[in-house]
Amino acid sequence: DAGITQSPRYKITETGRQVTLMCHQTWSHSYMFWYRQDLGHGLRLIYYSAAADITDKGEVPDGYVVSRSKTENFPLTLESATRSQTSVYFCASSGNTEAFFGQGTRLTVV
Amino acid sequence: AQKITQTQPGMFVQEKEAVTLDCTYDTSDPSYGLFWYKQPSSGEMIFLIYQGSYDQQNATEGRYSLNFQKARKSANLVISASQLGDSAMYFCAMRDSFSGGYNKLIFGAGTRLAVHP
Repeated sequence: DAGITQSPRYKITETGRQVTLMCHQTWSHSYMFWYRQDLGHGLRLIYYSAAADITDKGEVPDGYVVSRSKTENFPLTLESATRSQTSVYFCASSGNTEAFFGQGTRLTVV
Repeated sequence: AQKITQTQPGMFVQEKEAVTLDCTYDTSDPSYGLFWYKQPSSGEMIFLIYQGSYDQQNATEGRYSLNFQKARKSANLVISASQLGDSAMYFCAMRDSFSGGYNKLIFGAGTRLAVHP
């Protein structure tokens, strides 16, 4: 079945550690997005990608790195996690008339 | 700059009645798309409906319809015959090419809808 999956669903990590959140979609959508959702801030765009090897910053990119070597995968890496990066992270992929989200990853940085 | 505004932090409606959730947007791109999402308390983001800027008809999907007024730059979601299961957070989103030619998908702050029996 076509879909978009994120892993892990839950993650606890320590301050200063590197952590990677995975996102995989099977629709062959060109566009993919990473958001974080915090109380009082709605969904804020971290990074997005228009195609393999094309990525660009969103509203809150600091402290995050992305790559897109294959159309179906769009991993998000926190290079050195901080407590302020505790959040729920959503990945999305978009075609012409739809945009679907993964289930989300709840990340806690302690 | 792109902007999506949802002015209603919270709304309530009686079961079986219709409700309209407001969304206004701002873009200088003539080609754009508007989306609505539902986020129940379980947390997932559920895609509801899409409207393209060149679409002549208002989009409809079951009990959801989008009241698209291009000149006013508004894209309100209408839910007919509300059900208790419609209680959730609702987000409006816009995709356009902004600058640089690549499409961003940005969101409004959301409206929390409560359906009362």
